[in-house]
Amino acid sequence: ETGVTQSPTHLIKTRGQQVTLRCSSQSGHNTVSWYQQALGQGPQFIFQYYREEENGRGNFPPRFSGLQFPNYSSELNVNALELDDSALYLCASSLGQGGWQFFGPGTRLTVL
Amino acid sequence: AQKITQTQPGMFVQEKEAVTLDCTYDTSDPSYGLFWYKQPSSGEMIFLIYQGSYDQQNATEGRYSLNFQKARKSANLVISASQLGDSAMYFCAMWVRGGADGLTFGKGTHLIIQP
Repeated sequence: ETGVTQSPTHLIKTRGQQVTLRCSSQSGHNTVSWYQQALGQGPQFIFQYYREEENGRGNFPPRFSGLQFPNYSSELNVNALELDDSALYLCASSLGQGGWQFFGPGTRLTVL
Repeated sequence: AQKITQTQPGMFVQEKEAVTLDCTYDTSDPSYGLFWYKQPSSGEMIFLIYQGSYDQQNATEGRYSLNFQKARKSANLVISASQLGDSAMYFCAMWVRGGADGLTFGKGTHLIIQP
């Protein structure tokens, strides 16, 4: 196991709602990255947080936002949920912006 | 922009045989890293092996080795002596210095080990 934890494990929401997913990084890691993995696809990079600042962002709209806390844990917030937001959301922690990324077990979000 | 291509959607391999999973990549940046991850049906991405663009030797980790051919931009994963527990999705990924700092993943290969 990597020591990266995510909550909740599963979540069901309806279109238009808002959701918050949480991630605790591996001990000693100061960087958290979030990915969206649609069914049958590889993960897509959403954004990365380094020392509480958004450090990089993939091709996702502003309704995907995040936070990183002083203990390096992180939240992913998605507003105005759409059906296509249904996916596995993976969090990865690393030591530094270019460090090896170790993944948590993921949160499976279903939007109805 | 970076791109990872995995051309084998699925593979069936007999137990104890060696298997090669293909990965080609595209980047104009000279400094990058290549990763392989295993994803069982539970969903967690398990790190297997890493190769840096300036590494002179191919990476090895136990039964896993990475066949890195820089001129051909390929980074194939070789699993020796396959086991039933190797059945999973396998993803090749790339990190580029100067990129958005996220990993770029391929679409994956579904490997099934048959007894």
